Amino acid sequence: GGIITQTPKFLIGQEGQKLTLKCQQNFNHDTMYWYRQDSGKGLRLIYYSITENDLQKGDLSEGYDASREKKSSFSLTVTSAQKNEMAVFLCASSIAGSSYEQYFGPGTRLTVL
Amino acid sequence: GDSVTQMQGQVTLSEDDFLFINCTYSTTWYPTLFWYVQYPGEGPQLLLKVTTANNKGISRGFEATYDKRTTSFHLQKASVQESDSAVYYCVLGDTNAYKVIFGKGTHLHVLP
Repeated sequence: GGIITQTPKFLIGQEGQKLTLKCQQNFNHDTMYWYRQDSGKGLRLIYYSITENDLQKGDLSEGYDASREKKSSFSLTVTSAQKNEMAVFLCASSIAGSSYEQYFGPGTRLTVL
Repeated sequence: GDSVTQMQGQVTLSEDDFLFINCTYSTTWYPTLFWYVQYPGEGPQLLLKVTTANNKGISRGFEATYDKRTTSFHLQKASVQESDSAVYYCVLGDTNAYKVIFGKGTHLHVLP
């Protein structure tokens, strides 16, 4: 088996601040994802990366940047935190072309003061 | 575009009750439908998959089928336990093989 690690578990920032969330996986999966989870809204895709050095925008990419530094890691940056950014950010990975079976990390909970 | 609608935001049951959660979907392609479950403090995990209409997906006591005529997709369990308390998401495979579409989730609360 494998595991997805997200750091930090809790992130508190100030409005307007640039904040970075990190994700590591040891499944050796090619594809990685970042989702935002808001209460009552399900999961919305922010960015995904099909393979190392690839980046694809999801439905909610505005206000975010992403970086796939190597196959095992995928970072997400909130470029300017806003008060309505309070949410849980979930990282996932899958075998390339098997997006239906995604393995998720436990999430990073973001609070903006 | 493709979409999935999950109307039940919250369901409260007692142990041994029957569970039924329904979703509807819209797609121009052959649908592949999934259910994910998210337990408190964890990320979502795949519960089961259904790729053919009227065929059941079965896992951990849960069953799912979809009806192509009504474009509906449901999850059921004959007898829920307190440990089934979680959020259940219906998910539609996108025509983009690298993406899926999540419903808004149904929060199941099972009373002891």
